[in-house]
Amino acid sequence: SQELEQSPQSLIVQEGKNLTINCTSSKTLYGLYWYKQKYGEGLIFLMMLQKGGEEKSHEKITAKLDEKKQQSSLHITASQPSHAGIYLCGADAQVINDKIIFGKGTRLHILP
Amino acid sequence: DGGITQSPKYLFRKEGQNVTLSCEQNLNHDAMYWYRQDPGQGLRLIYYSQIVNDFQKGDIAEGYSVSREKKESFPLTVTSAQKNPTAFYLCASSISGYEQYFGPGTRLTVT
Repeated sequence: SQELEQSPQSLIVQEGKNLTINCTSSKTLYGLYWYKQKYGEGLIFLMMLQKGGEEKSHEKITAKLDEKKQQSSLHITASQPSHAGIYLCGADAQVINDKIIFGKGTRLHILP
Repeated sequence: DGGITQSPKYLFRKEGQNVTLSCEQNLNHDAMYWYRQDPGQGLRLIYYSQIVNDFQKGDIAEGYSVSREKKESFPLTVTSAQKNPTAFYLCASSISGYEQYFGPGTRLTVT
């Protein structure tokens, strides 16, 4: 079965610094989703990537899917306190399927 | 405003009691999902439904039951057979093949 490995598990960065979170799959990714979660709340959809080499940006957050479609990275530029939370990647379990498999998440703390 | 609502936000039950968690969406999505989230575990799929009156077991369906009588509603019952029911439960919905949208979650505590 497909598994998603996120790294690092936890990250503490100074406000204003850049950071990267990685998501690696044991199998080819047919669709890769990035979500953000504040503690005790629901998940907020950030971006979806489908094509090898694809890159998308939303405000100061950029996500990329590698050419082989087995790894994705989420990059935050000039981090702000509002970026703090848990970032989760999710992937379509099959080519045509409504099920998403999620990684365990990366907890991001921003120091003022 | 379109969205997904879950109620209540916090729920407390005694061991041995069944409890039903509510999930409603007005996004006109066909597919709905229930996940369980435990510290350090990520999200695990309990049940999902792609169409009214049909649903499938996810990875951890034992001790749970669902119904999908209306497109807008997908309630989850946590039965007394669930060994460790204390968790954060998240409901989601989607258009088939697209991203899922999540509700605010229900934190269930069973003592």
